[in-house]
Amino acid sequence: GEDVEQSLFLSVREGDSSVINCTYTDSSSTYLYWYKQEPGAGLQLLTYIFSNMDMKQDQRLTVLLNKKDKHLSLRIADTQTGDSAIYFCAPTPPPGGYQKVTFGTGTKLQVIP
Amino acid sequence: NAGVTQTPKFRVLKTGQSMTLLCAQDMNHEYMYWYRQDPGMGLRLIHYSVGEGTTAKGEVPDGYNVSRLKKQNFLLGLESAAPSQTSVYFCASSYPDKVLYFGPGTRLTVT
Repeated sequence: GEDVEQSLFLSVREGDSSVINCTYTDSSSTYLYWYKQEPGAGLQLLTYIFSNMDMKQDQRLTVLLNKKDKHLSLRIADTQTGDSAIYFCAPTPPPGGYQKVTFGTGTKLQVIP
Repeated sequence: NAGVTQTPKFRVLKTGQSMTLLCAQDMNHEYMYWYRQDPGMGLRLIHYSVGEGTTAKGEVPDGYNVSRLKKQNFLLGLESAAPSQTSVYFCASSYPDKVLYFGPGTRLTVT
């Protein structure tokens, strides 16, 4: 099965950039999602990238994908206190039959004012 | 559109007691899931369902049972609660191979 690894904790100062990294093992992943979990809430989709892309930019968010190294990163520019949350990487298997989505352990982002 | 709802939000059980967690979704999703979240462990899949009347085991199914009698509902049962089942439980739903939509979670403590 898929293994997904993330560091558990990241602390940044407000206004700085945050980079959250993820490594995975299943090279057949077609969609690679980032979910955000705010305190006391469930996960919500934050952004995603297709496996045929290297980069995707969405306002303050930049997703980089290195398929060769099976490495995914999420960059948040001008990090705000409202970005404090846990961020989960979730590579998704290709379509066709049920295949389990594997979540990383999550990276807790702490933003220091 | 309520999305995914979970009942109850909080519960405290004594060891050996039983309970059922209810998940409901109004998005007509085929797939539904139950996860548990523990510190440093991420999300672990307990059971899932790919359609009404079907269920399957995930990574950590022991001590749990599920039923999906209606498409919109997915029930998670604990027959004899143990302290190791203290956790936050999340239900989710999706179309096949698509984004998961999560409920707000149920915080369960077993003493």
